[in-house]
Amino acid sequence: GAVVSQHPSRVICKSGTSVKIECRSLDFQATTMFWYRQFPKKSLMLMATSNEGSKATYEQGVEKDKFLINHASLTLSTLTVTSAHPEDSSFYICSAAITSGYNEQFFGPGTRLTVL
Amino acid sequence: GNSVTQMEGPVTLSEEAFLTINCTYTATGYPSLFWYVQYPGEGLQLLLKATKADDKGSNKGFEATYRKETTSFHLEKGSVQVSDSAVYFCALSDPGAGNTPLVFGKGTRLSVIA
Repeated sequence: GAVVSQHPSRVICKSGTSVKIECRSLDFQATTMFWYRQFPKKSLMLMATSNEGSKATYEQGVEKDKFLINHASLTLSTLTVTSAHPEDSSFYICSAAITSGYNEQFFGPGTRLTVL
Repeated sequence: GNSVTQMEGPVTLSEEAFLTINCTYTATGYPSLFWYVQYPGEGLQLLLKATKADDKGSNKGFEATYRKETTSFHLEKGSVQVSDSAVYFCALSDPGAGNTPLVFGKGTRLSVIA
């Protein structure tokens, strides 16, 4: 089956630093990737839709200057949390859409960000 | 717009009990339906899917049938195990809308005790 990886799986950083999270589709090409944020014991909150070669589309309330998304190739999208603060601590999950006609999506294993 | 409603948890069951997690949806057109499972500290894994009415998705003893007449996709398992403890998400996608985000339910936490 289609595999999506995320790196790093876990990161701890100091307040004010920036953190980059990578999302890769390992065995398929993904023109579209999605970034979600998940708070403890909550459902996934869509942050943005990332299309290869174009600007990401952010959901209402998500700061695009805070959460920079780049989708430079058909297998890689990155999310950079700039000037991270403790309230940015969360579980970030990406998914990649495979063009199968069913809009099937495959999820990465997630990245746990802790900002001290 | 499209939406998914699933039963609130948490659900606590004894090992070998029967499991049902209800999921209903609202959608225009003919969505594809999915159940995802999230084990503690991990990302989401696709558990099963159904892409048209009356389809039954099944995997690891779990089943769900796409019921268009009741707009439902309830998840069932005849005999749960401790290892099934996880959060289960019902989701839908609109295959006619290109690569759009999945619409998720709020998730149901299942705890199975020995």
